[in-house]
Amino acid sequence: QKEVEQDPGPLSVPEGAIVSLNCTYSNSAFQYFMWYRQYSRKGPELLMYTYSSGNKEDGRFTAQVDKSSKYISLFIRDSQPSDSATYLCAFSGGSNYKLTFGKGTLLTVNP
Amino acid sequence: DAGVIQSPRHEVTEMGQEVTLRCKPISGHNSLFWYRQTMMRGLELLIYFNNNVPIDDSGMPEDRFSAKMPNASFSTLKIQPSEPRDSAVYFCASSPGGLGEKLFFGSGTQLSVL
Repeated sequence: QKEVEQDPGPLSVPEGAIVSLNCTYSNSAFQYFMWYRQYSRKGPELLMYTYSSGNKEDGRFTAQVDKSSKYISLFIRDSQPSDSATYLCAFSGGSNYKLTFGKGTLLTVNP
Repeated sequence: DAGVIQSPRHEVTEMGQEVTLRCKPISGHNSLFWYRQTMMRGLELLIYFNNNVPIDDSGMPEDRFSAKMPNASFSTLKIQPSEPRDSAVYFCASSPGGLGEKLFFGSGTQLSVL
């Protein structure tokens, strides 16, 4: 079983749609859960960061963590063309400096 | 702050040549990471420096790869000799702490080895 699994997409939605992006993981030692956004020809940038089960909201973005199911999600409300990017989930074991990344989901929001 | 600065943005070279990638981390950040990104393998950590000292180079694929950080504001990743399978995007990232949770990435170097 892979340590992190993420559907690569591509995912194409109309502007204004609600987007759901998901990752599953197998490593119980993961304590920190992140979503990075990567625009074409750019480096990843941290979008959301959380360490507990439940929901964390930041504007149009909501990160959801379910540790019991080893499942994390990122929801984007009222999606915009500027949200078109690759979204990578990432995990850390706390004191471990290594991040484990998903391979990313390519999202296109059509105007 | 200008963020993490990498150079060159693109590098095309022939198999067997030496390649040097450069990185200037964000001022004040004491952790520096080199990552490689490919479609097949995603983002892979190559090496991690803390306070200019290499802490973990277990991700460096072969002895052909080497990295240095002579001071807090500069790091290099060298491939000698380069091979076509080294073609990838190489990212440098820095972090204000010793933990890797909140990384700030550069724009990467797209390397093509012919």
